[in-house]
Amino acid sequence: ILNVEQSPQSLHVQEGDSTNFTCSFPSSNFYALHWYRWETAKSPEALFVMTLNGDEKKKGRISATLNTKEGYSYLYIKGSQPEDSATYLCASRSNTGNQFYFGTGTSLTVIP
Amino acid sequence: DAGITQSPRHKVTETGTPVTLRCHQTENHRYMYWYRQDPGHGLRLIHYSYGVKDTDKGEVSDGYSVSRSKTEDFLLTLESATSSQTSVYFCAISEADNQPQHFGDGTRLSIL
Repeated sequence: ILNVEQSPQSLHVQEGDSTNFTCSFPSSNFYALHWYRWETAKSPEALFVMTLNGDEKKKGRISATLNTKEGYSYLYIKGSQPEDSATYLCASRSNTGNQFYFGTGTSLTVIP
Repeated sequence: DAGITQSPRHKVTETGTPVTLRCHQTENHRYMYWYRQDPGHGLRLIHYSYGVKDTDKGEVSDGYSVSRSKTEDFLLTLESATSSQTSVYFCAISEADNQPQHFGDGTRLSIL
């Protein structure tokens, strides 16, 4: 079992603020790190798949970085909007199997 | 949206009865996954499939079995449901193991 941890558990920011969250995962036998966005009453939606140390991905105002040597990934949201309110999940997979382990997520609320 | 259909969407049943949940995809993706989502635990992998008749256990497989007799269908069976299996179940698919997962809308299962 991989221990994937996300912090903070929840976050409230004002509209226009930039914010970031952390996903920590075991660095040994790393294979891939996924980020998902999960809005209430919907299903998770993929944001990024990251595999290489130093990877940086960007999608609009959302970006992510990956450090496989120390076992963490950061998700950044620039200029948060109310529609960014959601739970952000990360999931890690090692190269010793095809199992994905999800963190419990960071719940973001953007206050207009 | 990826063509994933979960059925039923809601089910209430009694302890000890068998239950089968169905995940149907129209994307011809190789990989299919079953997760359960419980408060405080996030998404946990139950079983996954990497091809027709090729399945493997996930983190929380006890009490569950799966079958995949054709590419488009992945069935999750609770042979004798218990109250601890009350949960929201999500199916996901992916084209390859290094590609993002696309989730169905979930099945809310209550076992009384």
